[in-house]
Amino acid sequence: SYKLTQPPSVSVSPGQTASITCSGDELGDRYVCWYQQKPGQSPVLVIYQDRKRPSGIPERISGSNSGNTATLTISGTQAMDEADYYCQAWDNLQAWDSTTVIFGGGTKLTVL
Amino acid sequence: EVQLVESGGGLVQPGGSLRLSCAASGFTFGTYWMSWVRQAPGKGLEWVANIKQDGSERYYVDSVRGRFTISRDNAKNSLVLQMNSLRAEDTAVYYCAREGSLGGQRFFDYWGQGTLVTVSS
Repeated sequence: SYKLTQPPSVSVSPGQTASITCSGDELGDRYVCWYQQKPGQSPVLVIYQDRKRPSGIPERISGSNSGNTATLTISGTQAMDEADYYCQAWDNLQAWDSTTVIFGGGTKLTVL
Repeated sequence: EVQLVESGGGLVQPGGSLRLSCAASGFTFGTYWMSWVRQAPGKGLEWVANIKQDGSERYYVDSVRGRFTISRDNAKNSLVLQMNSLRAEDTAVYYCAREGSLGGQRFFDYWGQGTLVTVSS
């Protein structure tokens, strides 16, 4: 079955840029979403369709997807960005016809 | 305002059953795919099951297929997960999530607060 791989942890200094990767075989051929989850809270969608932001998500959060790697980038990282981040894709290449969901293992972002 | 409110979690013995419910409001429930996603204590997210708008298609992760059943009642704006033959590894917070869609992609755009299921003797 298809698998998404994320680094367990990423650290960044306040004001710097954080990059969180998500790897999978030919991942660039699929749409990727990203979710932010803070301790004790439900996940929040921050990126869909590789690079689009839902309403209310700040512009400093961006996404890209090419080849075997999708990347979530947070520019000017703030303390409030400290959270777990999960990438997500569908098992089929045709997202509209996909049936099952795959999550990456999650990355804990620490703002030092 | 979109709201998803789960209920029904609790402590159950291995081999037992539990029925989770999700009450939806603030949107036209019958026009969206819906999913259950779980998170074991200290672990990552795991998709469990989803159901098409009219209930005609249902899909499950391999580990729960044959034990769990997802269903919906569009007249009551309600999503249900019937869980049978529960195992210790089913212990998790269970989230109800709406599958939004744009440009050919579905994604989880709204999540409930979650309900904790603990399977233990």
